[in-house]
Amino acid sequence: GENVEQHPSTLSVQEGDSAVIKCTYSDSASNYFPWYKQELGKRPQLIIDIRSNVGEKKDQRIAVTLNKTAKHFSLHITETQPEDSAVYFCAASTGANSKLTFGKGITLSVRP
Amino acid sequence: KAGVTQTPRYLIKTRGQQVTLSCSPISGHRSVSWYQQTPGQGLQFLFEYFSETQRNKGNFPGRFSGRQFSNSRSEMNVSTLELGDSALYLCASSLLGSYEQYFGPGTRLTVT
Repeated sequence: GENVEQHPSTLSVQEGDSAVIKCTYSDSASNYFPWYKQELGKRPQLIIDIRSNVGEKKDQRIAVTLNKTAKHFSLHITETQPEDSAVYFCAASTGANSKLTFGKGITLSVRP
Repeated sequence: KAGVTQTPRYLIKTRGQQVTLSCSPISGHRSVSWYQQTPGQGLQFLFEYFSETQRNKGNFPGRFSGRQFSNSRSEMNVSTLELGDSALYLCASSLLGSYEQYFGPGTRLTVT
């Protein structure tokens, strides 16, 4: 089955700096890659996603890139703010309404 | 639109008991998936329902079961609770044919 790995497990950046979180996946059939943000005590929130027919997608300060050949995808956050501090999960699935396989999550801390 | 709702939000049970958790999807969403979130294992897929049918199941023992009603609301049941079942149980809903899954706030189950 699919295996999604996420590195590093923690990341600390200074406010205003950029943060990059990387994930790798194993199943070449995976074609959908969402990113979720989970603040303490709250639900995972879908913040951005990408499908395998696209190499990059941007939404204001966040972007996701996908390298299908290398089977990895990354989340980029620019101009980080303290409210970006949270746990970020990457995931992969093989189609619509399909199960999501998650990475273990990364704790991002943005220092004011 | 109202988001995914889950009840109850918190539960404390003792070993050997059983528990039923409920999930109401976003209006119009007919696919409901359940995930278990623990600090050690992260987010793991339990099962997915569409049109009252279980279409996919994760690698959990038979003590974990679920069902979906004609109004798309879903329940999951855990019988003969074990200490290791303590977790946050999340459900996510999606439109048929859609890749995006939206999570509820979860039910925090503590087994003592």
